[in-house]
Formats: sequence, structure tokens, C-alpha cells
Amino acid sequence: DIQMTQSPSSLSASVGDRVTITCQASQDISNYLNWYQQKPGKAPKLLIYDASNLETGVPSRFSGSGSGTDFTFTISSLQPEDIATYYCQQYDNLPQYTFGQGTKLEIK
Amino acid sequence: QVQLVQSGSELKKPGASVKVSCKASGYTFTSYAMNWVRQAPGQGLEWMGWINTNTGNPTYAQGFTGRFVFSLDTSVSTAYLQISSLKAEDTAVYYCARSTVTKRGDYWGQGTLVTVSS
Repeated sequence: DIQMTQSPSSLSASVGDRVTITCQASQDISNYLNWYQQKPGKAPKLLIYDASNLETGVPSRFSGSGSGTDFTFTISSLQPEDIATYYCQQYDNLPQYTFGQGTKLEIK
Repeated sequence: QVQLVQSGSELKKPGASVKVSCKASGYTFTSYAMNWVRQAPGQGLEWMGWINTNTGNPTYAQGFTGRFVFSLDTSVSTAYLQISSLKAEDTAVYYCARSTVTKRGDYWGQGTLVTVSS
């Protein structure tokens, strides 16, 4: 099975900061990676698909990059409404579309 | 607009069964697969598997075989998750999410809380 190692598990940053989250796959997954945002009590929301494609309607301050085993998710300028938990998910390997452990983002 | 609307919260005793529904609207139901995801209280997301809405063929992730069954009623654009022999550790929010080969997880249901307690 493919394991997804996401880091950090939690992060505190100030409004306006650049925020970076990484996700490492245990084997090559090409670009088969999603990034989601989940706010408390809500369903996850797709932000980035295929590692670097911005989902329709998602603000351009969110971006993703990487391929193979190493991936990065970036918020270029943190806004108060970005407080949430962020997850990566690989979809290269059926039937285990594994999620990362999540990164809880807080405002400093 | 695309919507996935799930059934309401459930409180069940250990050993009982539960059936969660996910009703789709705003798109052609059989054009997208349906996935199921579990989230235990305070924990991360676990992908449980998916069902092909054309053939009805389910695929289960490791750890979700045996007691978990995905099914469909295409006449009412609804997918179902049934869990039998419920255990306390099945207490979680269960989500449905649609997918295609070009994009996974673009729309999700609101989640259904299943609580298993004696």
C-alpha cells in the first residue's frame, strides 16, 4: 500500500504569511494527488487536483506542485478564512486512495 | 447545481446494522462513481472505497471488507452504505463523494454521523 506522509501535523501562522505543507508518497504516484480543505463540522472541499490544478472557484492564493513522491501545497498569503485542516490524497493506487494525516492550520 | 444529500444522524446499539443514503442531484448519476469516506471523531479521513454507478460493482479498501456494503438505486440517483454488526469503533461521520477518472472528490455530501453505543 502507498503511505502518504504529510507534514507538519499542525502549523501556526500570521495573516499574510506564506504557508507551505508537504506530502510525501511511499512510492511514485505521478501527479495523482488532491489537496482538500476541511473546516470544523464540514465536508472536505477540493482545492487542488492532479497535484497542481486549481479547482474552479478556489482563490488563486492556493497552489500545488510536485510529482512522483514529493508534493507541496502553498497558501501565498494566509487569510483568516483559511483556518482549517488540510489533507492530501493519492489516487494512483486502487483500491487504496490514501489520505495524508492532515495539517491543522491556526492563526498566530 | 450539483448536490449530494445524505441521510440524518443515526444512533445504534452494538451488533445492529445501519444504512446511510446519499442522494445525488444536478448531474447524471451514472456519469460519476460514488466514493465513501470515514472520519472518526477528532481523526483524519479514511477512504473506504467506491462503487461504479454504471455496473453497480463495488471496490472496498483494506479494512472495509465483510461488514461494509455499497449499493445503488439508480432510479432515484441514490447510493447507499450499509454497515452490519456495528461496533463502537464504527462511530464516525461517513461521507459520500463523487468522482470520475479525470477528477476525484469535487462534490461531497454533508456527512452522516453514526454513533454506536449501548
